[in-house]
Amino acid sequence: GAVVSQHPSRVICKSGTSVKIECRSLDFQATTMFWYRQFPKKSLMLMATSNEGSKATYEQGVEKDKFLINHASLTLSTLTVTSAHPEDSSFYICSAGAGRVGEKLFFGSGTQLSVL
Amino acid sequence: DQQVKQNSPSLSVQEGRISILNCDYTNSMFDYFLWYKKYPAEGPTFLISISSIKDKNEDGRFTVFLNKSAKHLSLHIVPSQPGDSAVYFCAASENYGQNFVFGPGTRLSVLP
Repeated sequence: GAVVSQHPSRVICKSGTSVKIECRSLDFQATTMFWYRQFPKKSLMLMATSNEGSKATYEQGVEKDKFLINHASLTLSTLTVTSAHPEDSSFYICSAGAGRVGEKLFFGSGTQLSVL
Repeated sequence: DQQVKQNSPSLSVQEGRISILNCDYTNSMFDYFLWYKKYPAEGPTFLISISSIKDKNEDGRFTVFLNKSAKHLSLHIVPSQPGDSAVYFCAASENYGQNFVFGPGTRLSVLP
């Protein structure tokens, strides 16, 4: 099946620094990528949808200036958590699809972010 | 307000028996539903899907049932195996799109 690679799997950073998370589709062209956040024992919450070559669409309540999303190519999307704070500590996961109606998504393995 | 609910956070089943995982939703516009399985430290992997034009979809040991009037779907695993132990998420979307709304997940433990 299709593979989505997400890096890093775990990152620990100091408060105030920025962290970049990469999501790559390895064997298909992902016209659409989704970024989620998951708190412990909670569901995956969609943060934003990115389409290649255009601006990301953010869900209500998600700060676009804090969570910068770039989808510059059909195989790569990045999420940058800017000026990270302890409350940003969470599990972030990406998924990708080829944009076809009724198609399932392929997920990365997630990134556990801990902000000290 | 949670649009997709999985009211059982955990479920334990004996190996060989049937596992039934339930999912309820509130948005009547949802027309496409998926189940994902997630092992620790891995991303969710697709398991099975069903569209609103069907009430049942089967794939090997996995069967998903959809009751649109009750806004309820369930995943049946028969027979359950220890390797099925994982967290199961149901997800739903409108217009067969990919903006899925996920439930909180149910942790299934299959005991040998």
